Amino acid sequence: ETGVTQSPTHLIKTRGQQVTLRCSSQSGHNTVSWYQQALGQGPQFIFQYYREEENGRGNFPPRFSGLQFPNYSSELNVNALELDDSALYLCASRRERGLNTGELFFGEGSRLTVL
Amino acid sequence: AQSVSQHNHHVILSEAASLELGCNYSYGGTVNLFWYVQYPGQHLQLLLKYFSGDPLVKGIKGFEAEFIKSKFSFNLRKPSVQWSDTAEYFCAVSSGGGADGLTFGKGTHLIIQP
Repeated sequence: ETGVTQSPTHLIKTRGQQVTLRCSSQSGHNTVSWYQQALGQGPQFIFQYYREEENGRGNFPPRFSGLQFPNYSSELNVNALELDDSALYLCASRRERGLNTGELFFGEGSRLTVL
Repeated sequence: AQSVSQHNHHVILSEAASLELGCNYSYGGTVNLFWYVQYPGQHLQLLLKYFSGDPLVKGIKGFEAEFIKSKFSFNLRKPSVQWSDTAEYFCAVSSGGGADGLTFGKGTHLIIQP
């Protein structure tokens, strides 16, 4: 158990809809990042939030957006869903911004199916 | 851009066999290297990591990995595997700054037969 909790665990949406996924980071962790893991692939970095600001982003379009709240919890929003957005979405938290200062703790993920 | 290549997508071994999972990365600068494991039904967790210093790093559960800079490799090893090592293993790299996240390989599905 990492202390990183995600909700919902599973959801089904249709193409064109919007979705919000939520993450509660481990106590004391101020940095949250989101990853997309398609079936049979490794996780792909979407973006990272540090102290409520996005400070890093992978190769994902602007319809993927996020928020981090003062309690360091986070949301991932995806607009105009496409079939290829079907994946497991992973949230990860750590104590500091830099990857060389702390281990990344992952949640169990939210599995999104787009029909 | 960074990339990570894991050579074997599926590996099947018998208990007590030795394990080596290959990982190569492409990035010319300073890197941090990681191996993560995902046991069936569980979250991703860190096995071991390399930031600097001794290129042979030891992790949890008897795993170790060796960073060979000249070969851009970070192979995972275990001298004697157990049935409980059945899992998905991911190699990952970051450029050190942290803001660009981790770049993961596609993973190796390891099955240990009793």
